[in-house]
Amino acid sequence: EDQVTQSPEALRLQEGESSSLNCSYTVSGLRGLFWYRQDPGKGPEFLFTLYSAGEEKEKERLKATLTKKESFLHITAPKPEDSATYLCAGNMEYGNKLVFGAGTILRVKS
Amino acid sequence: DVKVTQSSRYLVKRTGEKVFLECVQDMDHENMFWYRQDPGLGLRLIYFSYDVKMKEKGDIPEGYSVSREKKERFSLILESASTNQTSMYLCASSSAGGPNQPQHFGDGTRLSIL
Repeated sequence: EDQVTQSPEALRLQEGESSSLNCSYTVSGLRGLFWYRQDPGKGPEFLFTLYSAGEEKEKERLKATLTKKESFLHITAPKPEDSATYLCAGNMEYGNKLVFGAGTILRVKS
Repeated sequence: DVKVTQSSRYLVKRTGEKVFLECVQDMDHENMFWYRQDPGLGLRLIYFSYDVKMKEKGDIPEGYSVSREKKERFSLILESASTNQTSMYLCASSSAGGPNQPQHFGDGTRLSIL
């Protein structure tokens, strides 16, 4: 069964304290790994797509990386406005269906 | 920017009622999706559609149906609402340009079944 597992479930950081979120997957024939950000009361907002092992993408303080078994979302010198739930999802080998992880709730305190 | 609009932000219905959730996208996307989001379970796919009048079951279709009569509109129907269908419902759309086109989400409908 295709699965995406995110860890930790929740993470509290001080402003400026860098860290990483993990997304491990068993999606067969992964065709893409997606990262989304979700603010309370809002729908998920697309951040990145990673296609192949070794690929990296950056956006402001966020950098996503991909290996054959997992993806990391690195947050460098976070600010309180980076507080959100971060979701990752794997695209199954067939079709356009995404398998989502349960998310990591990030809180950054000033 | 892609805009996916869900007709209601909050909805309260009674057990046994027939409930309609509406979703409209303005980017001429071929693909549309309905998910439900529950704490600790992530997003789970209910139904999706690749074209007008086409629909495919997702992972948890039981108790739901969908309708796509126009390209921009995708409706989720709870035939006879039950309390275990209380949840956040999210609609998404994506273009047909390949499997890695990102899905764009609406802001959700928080549905309570009493």
